[in-house]
Amino acid sequence: GQQLNQSPQSMFIQEGEDVSMNCTSSSIFNTWLWYKQDPGEGPVLLIALYKAGELTSNGRLTAQFGITRKDSFLNISASIPSDVGIYFCAGQRRAGGTSYGKLTFGQGTILTVHP
Amino acid sequence: DAGVIQSPRHEVTEMGQEVTLRCKPISGHNSLFWYRQTMMRGLELLIYFNNNVPIDDSGMPEDRFSAKMPNASFSTLKIQPSEPRDSAVYFCASSLKGGLVDIQYFGAGTRLSVL
Repeated sequence: GQQLNQSPQSMFIQEGEDVSMNCTSSSIFNTWLWYKQDPGEGPVLLIALYKAGELTSNGRLTAQFGITRKDSFLNISASIPSDVGIYFCAGQRRAGGTSYGKLTFGQGTILTVHP
Repeated sequence: DAGVIQSPRHEVTEMGQEVTLRCKPISGHNSLFWYRQTMMRGLELLIYFNNNVPIDDSGMPEDRFSAKMPNASFSTLKIQPSEPRDSAVYFCASSLKGGLVDIQYFGAGTRLSVL
C-alpha cells in the first residue's frame, strides 16, 4: 500500500491566490517527483527533485526536497484556472540492487480554482 | 515525439467478458509499468517490465489479471473474466532505466467500466 501522506486532500481557491501542498513519508526517498493529472488524462511530470534540501522552480511552481529526505512540498504562485487538476507527489528510491526505481504515490491533492 | 499511447481510451463491458488493454511505450524506453487508479486506492502499481521481462508482478490482483510484453514497443494487460470491481482507470507508463534516476511518463489511460 501507499506510504506517502499528502495534504491537503483538496483545495478551493480564488484565481490569483498562492497554493501549497506537501507530502511526508515514514521512510527515506532518494528522489521526489510532483505530477499533475488533468481530468481524463494521465499524470504529467511537473518537477523532479534529486538532492536533500534542493529547491527547484518551474515557472510559477516551486518545490523543495526536505532535508530529512522524508518530505517535500509544492507551491504554486498566482494560481490560474488551468491549474485545476489533481497533484500527486511520488517518492522514488535509487535504482540498483533490489530496487528498480519503483514510484510510491501520495493520495493526491484536488485543486479547484475559481475565476 | 509521441508519448505513451494506450488503447482503447474507454471500454465498457459486461461481467465475465475478457478485456484487453494495450500500450505502446515511448520509443527507446526499456521499462514499462501498468498502474490502476481508483478513488479508494489511488494509483497502484500492477506490474513492471524491464527489457520486456516481468520483474515485479506483486501488484497484480489475482489470476484473472495477466500482462505480456512480446516486444519493446507493445504490451497488453488482460482481465479474464472481468468483474465490476475491476472498474477503474488503467495507466501504462514507460521510462528509460539506466542511470540513477528514471522518470516515468504516463499514457492517457483506459477507463474501464465492467457492468
